[in-house]
Amino acid sequence: DAKTTQPNSMESNEEEPVHLPCNHSTISGTDYIHWYRQLPSQGPEYVIHGLTSNVNNRMASLAIAEDRKSSTLILHRATLRDAAVYYCILRDAGGGTASKLTFGTGTRLQVTL
Amino acid sequence: DSGVTQTPKHLITATGQRVTLRCSPRSGDLSVYWYQQSLDQGLQFLIQYYNGEERAKGNILERFSAQQFPDLHSELNLSSLELGDSALYFCASSRSIGSGANVLTFGAGSRLTVL
Repeated sequence: DAKTTQPNSMESNEEEPVHLPCNHSTISGTDYIHWYRQLPSQGPEYVIHGLTSNVNNRMASLAIAEDRKSSTLILHRATLRDAAVYYCILRDAGGGTASKLTFGTGTRLQVTL
Repeated sequence: DSGVTQTPKHLITATGQRVTLRCSPRSGDLSVYWYQQSLDQGLQFLIQYYNGEERAKGNILERFSAQQFPDLHSELNLSSLELGDSALYFCASSRSIGSGANVLTFGAGSRLTVL
């Protein structure tokens, strides 16, 4: 699986936007960019994914660089409930045995009042 | 509630024992994945099944085995337990495989403590 690099931790104030970066310089043309998060004492939770274009959903936005070597997860207004570990993961569109998710160490987001 | 049900939520057992963790996937999902999360290893992929057949294997120990039954629920069997097997075990399910857009839904996990 292609590798991603994320900062170990980030801090944000509540009600402020948060930009979580992810570098994936070895991404292939068929890799989707997925983001999951894991809240304390819970299982991982899907956030968003994209291939080439920026994506928006009710949880977040995903901004993908034109060369696809990096992406940014945007939480528009962080709340205390967004404090979690955020994982950026690449998934090959080829499927088959590549359909598993390989988690890295992620970014631990702290949100303060 | 994610729709993926894992039992038991907590399990305490002794070294050398055997336990079975159970997972019911989300309705309509054919693929089941097992992950192990310990403090020093992060989330590690163990094994994946699709419609009853094993499809991918990760760093699963020989003491561990799994299967997916015709009703699509899955069981992870852990035997000859060691202290280092203490961890959270997560099950996830997905509608299908074969697409990079495929999304996994995770259960709440089973916390295993080996004393």
